[in-house]
Amino acid sequence: DTGVSQDPRHKITKRGQNVTFRCDPISEHNRLYWYRQTLGQGPEFLTYFQNEAQLEKSRLLSDRFSAERPKGSFSTLEIQRTEQGDSAMYLCASSVTSGFDNEQFFGPGTRLTVL
Amino acid sequence: AQSVTQLDSHVSVSEGTPVLLRCNYSSSYSPSLFWYVQHPNKGLQLLLKYTSAATLVKGINGFEAEFKKSETSFHLTKPSAHMSDAAEYFCVVTLNNNDMRFGAGTRLTVKP
Repeated sequence: DTGVSQDPRHKITKRGQNVTFRCDPISEHNRLYWYRQTLGQGPEFLTYFQNEAQLEKSRLLSDRFSAERPKGSFSTLEIQRTEQGDSAMYLCASSVTSGFDNEQFFGPGTRLTVL
Repeated sequence: AQSVTQLDSHVSVSEGTPVLLRCNYSSSYSPSLFWYVQHPNKGLQLLLKYTSAATLVKGINGFEAEFKKSETSFHLTKPSAHMSDAAEYFCVVTLNNNDMRFGAGTRLTVKP
């Protein structure tokens, strides 16, 4: 399967713990995006990368959230000191170069539950 | 500021009847607009997109949408619903290459 993959698919953690999610984009895509989707809502844009450069991060929900894409391939999203309100589906997407006009290909998501 | 409003949270149709999912947007600029579909336990998939070319856009699986600037609308239609169309549909607006806003979604139910 050459689509976008995310790992893990499900994560259950206790409040206060740190969690890290991984996203592997489609190999020739140099743009990578992270979204959060809560129940009954559409995905909420968090941040994106062009290769290894993080071009937008003002939409990250708080300073507990951070993302990296060190070699311009896979990316990680980390949430520190998790809170119950962080429970959601975290989606990753990738696209070919420039512009949000291009089709984004989404992964299946990582469902986070914070107890 | 930009935003997108999906006017119906849930639409129910009978198989073989037309589908209409409504979307209105607000934008200070010329937007790009998309419809994505999300089937249970599957990733979001692009149905169609409008990027300032033809105002009537045809997508996959027989769906189409018409961009109406005067009404700030981008409604999604399909002449005849199929059982496999049952899913969550999202209208999306993007501009300035730096932001993408999803609507809250419309759940489509197709009755046999």
